[in-house]
Amino acid sequence: EVQLLESGGGLVQPGGSLRLSCAASGFTFSSIAMSWVRQAPGKGLEWISGISPSGSGTYYADSVKGRFTISRDNSKNTVILQMNSLRVEDTAIYYCAKCGGPMVKQSSDHWGQGTLVTVSS
Amino acid sequence: QSVLTQPPSVSAAPGQKVTISCSGSSSNIGNNYVSWYQHLPGTAPKLLIYDNDKRPSGIPDRFSGSKSGTSATLGITGLQTGDEADYYCGTWDSSLSAGVFGGGTKLTVL
Repeated sequence: EVQLLESGGGLVQPGGSLRLSCAASGFTFSSIAMSWVRQAPGKGLEWISGISPSGSGTYYADSVKGRFTISRDNSKNTVILQMNSLRVEDTAIYYCAKCGGPMVKQSSDHWGQGTLVTVSS
Repeated sequence: QSVLTQPPSVSAAPGQKVTISCSGSSSNIGNNYVSWYQHLPGTAPKLLIYDNDKRPSGIPDRFSGSKSGTSATLGITGLQTGDEADYYCGTWDSSLSAGVFGGGTKLTVL
């Protein structure tokens, strides 16, 4: 059974940093692309970042480019989202999602339960 | 402002059929596969349709997907009260090199 467990969310001040982790199990992690998607309060889903199976390919939405960094550790079946220079508008539930194959452009066939990030002074 | 355009809401009676549209452009829907997701607030989104018209195992055939040009459509037949949720289309945008979603459509089963 595929399981994705996000952690690392919490309250942070504007301009601060936070590191989200997603622990994956139930599939061959090193062969699958992964993504992060968020949902701000009262808003829709927003794709924010994706990473190829090897980690050599990383992709970002314009809204987070230059501030967020996605990475993965295939030895630990973990994908990381390092979030710097956080803004109030980054407040959202952040979901880790497993892509349907080795390409980030593929659909997300399994999702975690999400972790809440609140950016506020 | 979402890259993909969906109606904010649709409604229909139990047992009826509803369709949800998703409009994009040649850089996204026109040249990439479309997927559809069901989302209840506070829960993990669920994949309903991938590669335009394929259903993952466990998704009933009441749910269907289609694509034509730069638009896609999700169809749901035999509506049930349990189908009340937000529905999102998603795809890849080759110009942005990023994933994109529609703004979401709230389905009400009257």
